[in-house]
Amino acid sequence: SQTIHQWPATLVQPVGSPLSLECTVEGTSNPNLYWYRQAAGRGLQLLFYSVGIGQISSEVPQNLSASRPQDRQFILSSKKLLLSDSGFYLCARTRQGAVYGYTFGSGTRLTVV
Amino acid sequence: AQSVAQPEDQVNVAEGNPLTVKCTYSVSGNPYLFWYVQYPNRGLQFLLKYITGDNLVKGSYGFEAEFNKSQTSFHLKKPSALVSDSALYFCAVRDIGSGTYKYIFGTGTRLKVLA
Repeated sequence: SQTIHQWPATLVQPVGSPLSLECTVEGTSNPNLYWYRQAAGRGLQLLFYSVGIGQISSEVPQNLSASRPQDRQFILSSKKLLLSDSGFYLCARTRQGAVYGYTFGSGTRLTVV
Repeated sequence: AQSVAQPEDQVNVAEGNPLTVKCTYSVSGNPYLFWYVQYPNRGLQFLLKYITGDNLVKGSYGFEAEFNKSQTSFHLKKPSALVSDSALYFCAVRDIGSGTYKYIFGTGTRLKVLA
């Protein structure tokens, strides 16, 4: 199984509040993990990816951070949310190997008010 | 640099008619190409992929895609569209230079199948 668990499914947070979104994966160990944001139901913006525990690469400088405390856990955080952080956040994984595509989680709809 | 383009924001097709969703790509080496579908408020689901071999790739839900190296295209097709095919479709290419299996996505094409 290559299941990805993402929660919560929906979240409404006030501006300036902290954020923690969690993603856990099942299946093959040592997956590559990714956080994407989708705004306005269209394009996907890669935010962070991780190739191992404690290894985080940031694609876009912004108000968010990511951590990977365990092999199959990937967390997206913010200390103070902005209105522009609203969007649909997707966690994804790939297995090690050249020919595997992504498996995506079901996503978290974040609305900052 | 690797890139992928989906030139159409939206495609409308009548139910029962054939559909095509276009995708072109640019990579420095051999491309790994994928199509994903997204239904409202859901994650992306894998449809099909091209790695090597036959240029016509068959995938889930009756979809297929044709890899054309000379035109650097990977168009998604289905012989007979269903209303339930209405969704957002993404083409993706693997960034083989990154070493991290990072995929570059197109901007998406919204398919609307009319009853």
